[in-house]
Amino acid sequence: AQSVTQLGSHVSVSEGALVLLRCNYSSSVPPYLFWYVQYPNQGLQLLLKYTTGATLVKGINGFEAEFKKSETSFHLTKPSAHMSDAAEYFCASPYGGATNKLIFGTGTLLAVQP
Amino acid sequence: ETGVTQSPTHLIKTRGQQVTLRCSSQSGHNTVSWYQQALGQGPQFIFQYYREEENGRGNFPPRFSGLQFPNYSSELNVNALELDDSALYLCASSPPSGGRDTQYFGPGTRLTVL
Repeated sequence: AQSVTQLGSHVSVSEGALVLLRCNYSSSVPPYLFWYVQYPNQGLQLLLKYTTGATLVKGINGFEAEFKKSETSFHLTKPSAHMSDAAEYFCASPYGGATNKLIFGTGTLLAVQP
Repeated sequence: ETGVTQSPTHLIKTRGQQVTLRCSSQSGHNTVSWYQQALGQGPQFIFQYYREEENGRGNFPPRFSGLQFPNYSSELNVNALELDDSALYLCASSPPSGGRDTQYFGPGTRLTVL
């Protein structure tokens, strides 16, 4: 069965530091992978998605992620954290092959310290 | 362009009652998916509606049911509420181009069951 695993339920970084949020997937077929962000008391917003082609995907707000098949990973990074990046981040993969039905990881709560 | 809207924003019910949550999809989107997000967890896929028919269901009991209307808006109904049904319920819509499209999420309805 397809699934995504997010390592680290809480990550804390200093403002200006590198952000690295980890996601590993399990799948027997080439996956489609997504990162969503959820700000407090809000719904989910798409940060970026990998479908096919270039393995380094750039998203909104300066985030990017690299699809590494050999490591079954799709980690999210941002070179320099900003206070406004504090939120919960979810990695997701399609459910049953359709990209509009998603399996989500358990989420990583990012705190940014001044 | 109006995004996905949900109503109500908050709701308090008691165990055994029934509840109806509503979702208006983004303009032009004909597919609506519902997710349940328990506190501290990632969203879990409940079911999806496409052209007024259920198009896939997650691991939820039959007391979770839905409808989609000709204007593509949707309802989620939950009967015989249980304490564990307390969660944020998210609706997401997708445009009419097969399954390989991004979902756009609404802000959610926070349901509390006492």
